[in-house]
Amino acid sequence: DSGVTQTPKHLITATGQRVTLRCSPRSGDLSVYWYQQSLDQGLQFLIQYYNGEERAKGNILERFSAQQFPDLHSELNLSSLELGDSALYFCASSLAVGLQETQYFGPGTRLLVL
Amino acid sequence: GENVEQHPSTLSVQEGDSAVIKCTYSDSASNYFPWYKQELGKRPQLIIDIRSNVGEKKDQRIAVTLNKTAKHFSLHITETQPEDSAVYFCAATPGTGGGADGLTFGKGTHLIIQP
Repeated sequence: DSGVTQTPKHLITATGQRVTLRCSPRSGDLSVYWYQQSLDQGLQFLIQYYNGEERAKGNILERFSAQQFPDLHSELNLSSLELGDSALYFCASSLAVGLQETQYFGPGTRLLVL
Repeated sequence: GENVEQHPSTLSVQEGDSAVIKCTYSDSASNYFPWYKQELGKRPQLIIDIRSNVGEKKDQRIAVTLNKTAKHFSLHITETQPEDSAVYFCAATPGTGGGADGLTFGKGTHLIIQP
């Protein structure tokens, strides 16, 4: 158990819908990352937050957005869902930024878009 | 941006033999290189990492080597055991400067340990 929690574990929805994935980092970690894992694209970095502020963007679609709240939990919002958005979404956390800190991954949310 | 290439995509070895997985990266600013192990349906778990001021790091049966000049790094697993069967991912990130620490991952290597 990494100490990072994610809810829900599974999510089934329809094309065009909107979903919210939730992540709670390890106690004391200030930085949260979101990754998408799919068979064709592999593990891809989406976005990073540090202490409530967006820090870096990766291959995140405009239909996707995220935020980190004062209690440091983070939410990833996926809208206008398409079949190709079906994937495993992982959240990871680390203590700080820019210090080559280990990133600890949560158990993931498996999203299926029908 | 960073690009990480990983080879081979599948590796089958006899139990007790060694396994080597190789990665190359493109961004010379990268200086943090973790390796993750992922079992089917589970989260990636860090098994070892190396930073650019170190050429080699070892932890029991696992070792990682880094060649910054050639921009490649490798994972070595000795005396392989059935529980080593999993998908292994290499990754790279600059890790400093601006705090942009998103990892760029290789495509993964499916390691199969034959009994």
